[in-house]
Amino acid sequence: EAGVAQSPRYKIIEKRQSVAFWCNPISGHATLYWYQQILGQGPKLLIQFQNNGVVDDSQLPKDRFSAERLKGVDSTLKIQPAKLEDSAVYLCASSLVFFGTSGGASDTQYFGPGTRLTVL
Amino acid sequence: GESVGLHLPTLSVQEGDNSIINCAYSNSASDYFIWYKQESGKGPQFIIDIRSNMDKRQGQRVTVLLNKTVKHLSLQIAATQPGDSAVYFCAENIGGAGSYQLTFGKGTKLSVIP
Repeated sequence: EAGVAQSPRYKIIEKRQSVAFWCNPISGHATLYWYQQILGQGPKLLIQFQNNGVVDDSQLPKDRFSAERLKGVDSTLKIQPAKLEDSAVYLCASSLVFFGTSGGASDTQYFGPGTRLTVL
Repeated sequence: GESVGLHLPTLSVQEGDNSIINCAYSNSASDYFIWYKQESGKGPQFIIDIRSNMDKRQGQRVTVLLNKTVKHLSLQIAATQPGDSAVYFCAENIGGAGSYQLTFGKGTKLSVIP
């Protein structure tokens, strides 16, 4: 089974430029996540999609970050304009969420390799 | 454990010894916990998970222990191998039943001495 694919793997831009990242989740996974991982820290959730709808984007800096998952499969994350503090690895994860008859749910998130962004 | 900036807590173990990595979580309402392994230049890799109605779960060479009283999680790796060298993150689900929003800890770097 193919894993989560991300591109590009590396990107270097100057501040105030724009950048876009692409993610292709594991086939059949309804839920997709974008995380930001600053060097030396754990991943921080930016946005969560269920199919093509946004479940949670409370930690997404919406003045400069945007994300979409128009057809419920691939997703793009954009930063415009970029700031120095946006330098980080941007991770995409996907999961196959199912809800049991008792109302419980099960979810294991599988991560892609990430895109390392350097803003100069 | 806690870390400041770039300085991750580091655990060094001899090859063949057992490793114990600890994690304190923040939310007493968290109902699901996961351990991830992250090698340099790669995304986090799922190792093992545990639900809040359990206090112990075993996998292949790994065991996770959950102590809800003190909000503590640990990962035990038996017979540690050089390939186990990585940064290990614990994550907790803070979204409640039916919602999965993970909050990650800051990680512990495991170095295996051959």
